[in-house]
Amino acid sequence: DAGVIQSPRHEVTEMGQEVTLRCKPISGHDYLFWYRQTMMRGLELLIYFNNNVPIDDSGMPEDRFSAKMPNASFSTLKIQPSEPRDSAVYFCASSPPGQRAEAFFGQGTRLTVV
Amino acid sequence: GNSVTQMEGPVTLSEEAFLTINCTYTATGYPSLFWYVQYPGEGLQLLLKATKADDKGSNKGFEATYRKETTSFHLEKGSVQVSDSAVYFCALSRLTGGGNKLTFGTGTQLKVEL
Repeated sequence: DAGVIQSPRHEVTEMGQEVTLRCKPISGHDYLFWYRQTMMRGLELLIYFNNNVPIDDSGMPEDRFSAKMPNASFSTLKIQPSEPRDSAVYFCASSPPGQRAEAFFGQGTRLTVV
Repeated sequence: GNSVTQMEGPVTLSEEAFLTINCTYTATGYPSLFWYVQYPGEGLQLLLKATKADDKGSNKGFEATYRKETTSFHLEKGSVQVSDSAVYFCALSRLTGGGNKLTFGTGTQLKVEL
């Protein structure tokens, strides 16, 4: 398996624009997580899904952020409108069934909002 | 709620020195414990894990023992190399009513010099 695949790897956009980050989890995994990493706040869990259903979105910072998982092999994280303070590295991770399973991370998307 | 506390970095060591990175946790019941490593520009990779008390996880010369009595999972390596320079994250996983949620510490940067 190729692992968790995220696209794009880098994104530079202007303030106010819509940004969509994409993630393909590992086949067979039923949990999908979106994290944000910054120097100031470290690694923050934004939202996670189980079997395509959002379980906990309490980490989503504002209504400008939304996430979807239309099927088991694809998820998106959208920011609309984007702001400079959204600049960060966004990671997607997936994990297989089982309460003691580890998460497998993608390479991340480095977002810069100017 | 669940939380993970790890020592602040950066930790700077000479090659072949002994490494300890402290990690303590707060959780109800019996969580699984993990150490992840993040190399520059990459996503997090699982380094080792332990799923029950007194278990020892090991990989690439790194070890950590699940100590329930002290709620700790300290990472150790007998002789570090320059290639071990990275950020290390301690994490726990606890099956909750909402799902299999990972909680991360803030990360500890390790720098190994010749």
